[in-house]
Amino acid sequence: AQSVTQLGSHVSVSEGALVLLRCNYSSSVPPYLFWYVQYPNQGLQLLLKYTSAATLVKGINGFEAEFKKSETSFHLTKPSAHMSDAAEYFCAVSDMDTGNQFYFGTGTSLTVIP
Amino acid sequence: EAEVAQSPRYKITEKSQAVAFWCDPISGHATLYWYRQILGQGPELLVQFQDESVVDDSQLPKDRFSAERLKGVDSTLKIQPAELGDSAMYLCASSLVGWDRQETQYFGPGTRLLVL
Repeated sequence: AQSVTQLGSHVSVSEGALVLLRCNYSSSVPPYLFWYVQYPNQGLQLLLKYTSAATLVKGINGFEAEFKKSETSFHLTKPSAHMSDAAEYFCAVSDMDTGNQFYFGTGTSLTVIP
Repeated sequence: EAEVAQSPRYKITEKSQAVAFWCDPISGHATLYWYRQILGQGPELLVQFQDESVVDDSQLPKDRFSAERLKGVDSTLKIQPAELGDSAMYLCASSLVGWDRQETQYFGPGTRLLVL
């Protein structure tokens, strides 16, 4: 069965500091992995996705994520946090066994401290 | 840039009443999804359409929830009767190709439902 675990439901960083949001997945076949961001009372916006091409994926707003098969991880990073990055972040997995059904993690709330 | 449209954005209702949510996917997107997101949790799939057909509704509480996509374009999700536990954000998403391809899902702004 496919699943996603996001370690740390709340992460706080200082403005300008490194952002690291963790995501580990479980999938019996090669996965497709996604990171979405959600601002209060809004829908989800795609940050980036991994679809078996390059293992280091660059997304919007300066975010990137690295697929590590040996660690079954897809952690999201940004070198320098900005106040506007404060939001909820969701990792999702899908694969050929599930059609295009997405399985989302429980989310990580990012707070940026000025 | 094309977007998924949803209405209403907010809905307050009393328990036992009926509510309906509408979604208009990005033009040309064959697959449409309805998710429920409880506060503090990730979205959970309720129903998935491929054109006008239901592909997966295994998580849809069919005793009170129904969904349709009659012409394979826009879709309606209905709850009757609403219960207190239905209070959540209801998200609609669409993707370009069929359910057997790993395509990005694009989300609408959601409908926030509060059942009193």
